[in-house]
Amino acid sequence: DAKTTQPPSMDCAEGRAANLPCNHSTISGNEYVYWYRQIHSQGPQYIIHGLKNNETNEMASLIITEDRKSSTLILPHATLRDTAVYYCIVRVAGSARQLTFGSGTQLTVLP
Amino acid sequence: EADIYQTPRYLVIGTGKKITLECSQTMGHDKMYWYQQDPGMELHLIHYSYGVNSTEKGDLSSESTVSRIRTEHFPLTLESARPSHTSQYLCASSETSGRTWDTQYFGPGTRLTVL
Repeated sequence: DAKTTQPPSMDCAEGRAANLPCNHSTISGNEYVYWYRQIHSQGPQYIIHGLKNNETNEMASLIITEDRKSSTLILPHATLRDTAVYYCIVRVAGSARQLTFGSGTQLTVLP
Repeated sequence: EADIYQTPRYLVIGTGKKITLECSQTMGHDKMYWYQQDPGMELHLIHYSYGVNSTEKGDLSSESTVSRIRTEHFPLTLESARPSHTSQYLCASSETSGRTWDTQYFGPGTRLTVL
């Protein structure tokens, strides 16, 4: 699976959009971009994933650049409960059982 | 929200005790997983199941065992707990078809402390 690079931490004001970047310059054509988050002491939570088109669901939007070398997760109206570590991973669906998260971005939503 | 449940959420037991960590999912997913995670550390896959009566050990050696008699249920058993088993245990599941196939959904975890 391709390696990803994320900033170690970010702050966001409550009610504002949180934009979390991820670089994956070595991504292969069949690798998806997945986003998960983990709130302290809880299980990881799946957020969204995509291959090359932008995606949106009830939690977030995923913007993937045309060359697929980077992506941005957007939480449109961040709340205090969105404070968590956010992980961007790239993997071929069905390629491996183990999920490897890396170091992620600690997002802190400030009141 | 994923419909995957783990019990108990917290467990403190003495050395040598036998314990079973429960995991159930109501999504009809064929694949289920057990991970071990220490605070701030990476996930480690300890067991995996493709479906009923199919289980495999993961990449991390574990003294635990699992069973998969029903699709929705994937319990993990430690025959004799030791302090080195102290960790958080996470259960996950994924489907084998559809738009979110192979997307793993996690339960809330069981935090185990062995004294």
